[in-house]
Amino acid sequence: AQSVAQPEDQVNVAEGNPLTVKCTYSVSGNPYLFWYVQYPNRGLQFLLKYITGDNLVKGSYGFEAEFNKSQTSFHLKKPSALVSDSALYFCAVREGSNYGQNFVFGPGTRLSVLP
Amino acid sequence: GAVVSQHPSRVICKSGTSVKIECRSLDFQATTMFWYRQFPKQSLMLMATSNEGSKATYEQGVEKDKFLINHASLTLSTLTVTSAHPEDSSFYICSAKGNEAFFGQGTRLTVV
Repeated sequence: AQSVAQPEDQVNVAEGNPLTVKCTYSVSGNPYLFWYVQYPNRGLQFLLKYITGDNLVKGSYGFEAEFNKSQTSFHLKKPSALVSDSALYFCAVREGSNYGQNFVFGPGTRLSVLP
Repeated sequence: GAVVSQHPSRVICKSGTSVKIECRSLDFQATTMFWYRQFPKQSLMLMATSNEGSKATYEQGVEKDKFLINHASLTLSTLTVTSAHPEDSSFYICSAKGNEAFFGQGTRLTVV
């Protein structure tokens, strides 16, 4: 069975500093990994995905994530945080390329960027 | 990019009434759609998989008679919360297939 862990409920970072939101996963096959951001009372916005290829994936709004197969991790990073990055972030995994399969989401990490 | 439209974004209903939530794929055909539920400060939990032209597949613990799903066309899936109760108050989100999955805007249901 697939599972996703986000070990931190909350991450606080000062504006301008680098940020990292951690994610580890467990799948039996090839992982398809995603990051989504959610603003209050809103749906999910896609940030980036890892399917195959380069382990460092660049996405929307200056975010990037690094796929580490040996550590089964897919941490989200940004070199310089903005106050507007404050939101709820979800890591998700889908096993394989079957579009008919659902996503399994991590519990979410609330990011607060302090001015 | 592909767009999934979910309507309504917010609904308040009386206990005992039914509420229908629509999920439309605007520029692509979706043979499969997913319905998620999100409780406050919690993650998204899959409720059911909606398959065009066939019965939905419900996750364990989700009452199929309470959460009716209809996927009558390749662009529309509906979730009807029947005989709603206050404990059904939640944020419901649909998604449709795509390389990264496209999510609707979500529906905040409040049952009073």
